[in-house]
Amino acid sequence: NAGVTQTPKFRILKIGQSMTLQCTQDMNHNYMYWYRQDPGMGLKLIYYSVGAGITDKGEVPNGYNVSRSTTEDFPLRLELAAPSQTSVYFCASSRQGAGEGSPLHFGNGTRLTVT
Amino acid sequence: EDQVTQSPEALRLQEGESSSLNCSYTVSGLRGLFWYRQDPGKGPEFLFTLYSAGEEKEKERLKATLTKKESFLHITAPKPEDSATYLCAVQAGGGGADGLTFGKGTHLIIQP
Repeated sequence: NAGVTQTPKFRILKIGQSMTLQCTQDMNHNYMYWYRQDPGMGLKLIYYSVGAGITDKGEVPNGYNVSRSTTEDFPLRLELAAPSQTSVYFCASSRQGAGEGSPLHFGNGTRLTVT
Repeated sequence: EDQVTQSPEALRLQEGESSSLNCSYTVSGLRGLFWYRQDPGKGPEFLFTLYSAGEEKEKERLKATLTKKESFLHITAPKPEDSATYLCAVQAGGGGADGLTFGKGTHLIIQP
């Protein structure tokens, strides 16, 4: 059982470049999330989705876009990379919303550096 | 605005030396408080969910407790493999789809 899989594990981008961070889960979870984690800071929610075709902004959505065409996949798009987007990005999924006590299952992250 | 504050930021213990990690929170209507463990280079791993004041949950050497303003993660007779960063997160009222608000974590080191 793979759980939540993120690719790539590492990436270096130049300022202004674009890329897509991939996330897929095999647990048939409806809810999916993207967080970023900066050194010494808590995880910050970027975007989330409650099901295929439905997405919504989290706390720090600027500079990012998402789509959810299938239950399994929830890619995160960076259109014009900036140094402030240097971070570790985590994708997570849950069976129900966190408010129902459903724990989030996290992938192992993508470490992104923008120079 | 929901806030989660964890203390201490870092803690170094000898193997077998019990201690507690603190998570204080300010939210408008707590729906759930979560504890996660994070190892270097990995994603957070779920440990516990607590819902109401007075609730306690245990798993091996870990016990989580909850009051109206804070939660404690007690670690009893820790082993080196308990070394990790422990994260606290809350889900506030307003529905389950908004994700969690995380604290900055406590970096725990258990020395043999």
